[in-house]
Amino acid sequence: ILNVEQSPQSLHVQEGDSTNFTCSFPSSNFYALHWYRWETAKSPEALFVMTLNGDEKKKGRISATLNTKEGYSYLYIKGSQPEDSATYLCAFQAGTALIFGKGTTLSVSS
Amino acid sequence: SAVISQKPSRDICQRGTSLTIQCQVDSQVTMMFWYRQQPGQSLTLIATANQGSEATYESGFVIDKFPISRPNLTFSTLTVSNMSPEDSSIYLCSGGPMNTEAFFGQGTRLTVV
Repeated sequence: ILNVEQSPQSLHVQEGDSTNFTCSFPSSNFYALHWYRWETAKSPEALFVMTLNGDEKKKGRISATLNTKEGYSYLYIKGSQPEDSATYLCAFQAGTALIFGKGTTLSVSS
Repeated sequence: SAVISQKPSRDICQRGTSLTIQCQVDSQVTMMFWYRQQPGQSLTLIATANQGSEATYESGFVIDKFPISRPNLTFSTLTVSNMSPEDSSIYLCSGGPMNTEAFFGQGTRLTVV
């Protein structure tokens, strides 16, 4: 059974803090690692899709790194804002479907 | 990426009844996926819906409980049959991924009482 683990489960930070989350996944049969941002009552929004070991991607204040050999990815948020409050999901892709972790729920206080 | 309209957004249903969830995509997609997120759990794949053929179900999910239709490349439905409180979950449809990110409906929050 393929398992994707995310930590921490939840996180509460103050506005302006920087934070990071971890996603660990199987290191075999790797095709891609996805990060999504999911706000309540909205569609999950794609942040990054990473395929290459050592990949680093950035979108505004959010960035992610990938290590396929050891099976982990980090998501970083610099200078957190209240609008960053959401659940961040990572998903491992071996074939056509995605295997999700349980997510990290971030709450940012102003 | 494409946009999926999913409905209903939420429902409260009596046990023993069935609910059909619809997803309409604004462009043609080859593969659609149906996921379930039970409270405190991961999004879990129920089945892959392919146009013109029967859906492919993951271990632990059966067609009698979760029949799926895929009449064309822009539309799919998932029915949750003979519901029990254990079926209370968020149900999510998705298009892709193939070589890029997946795109999702807004989700259906189902409560069975």
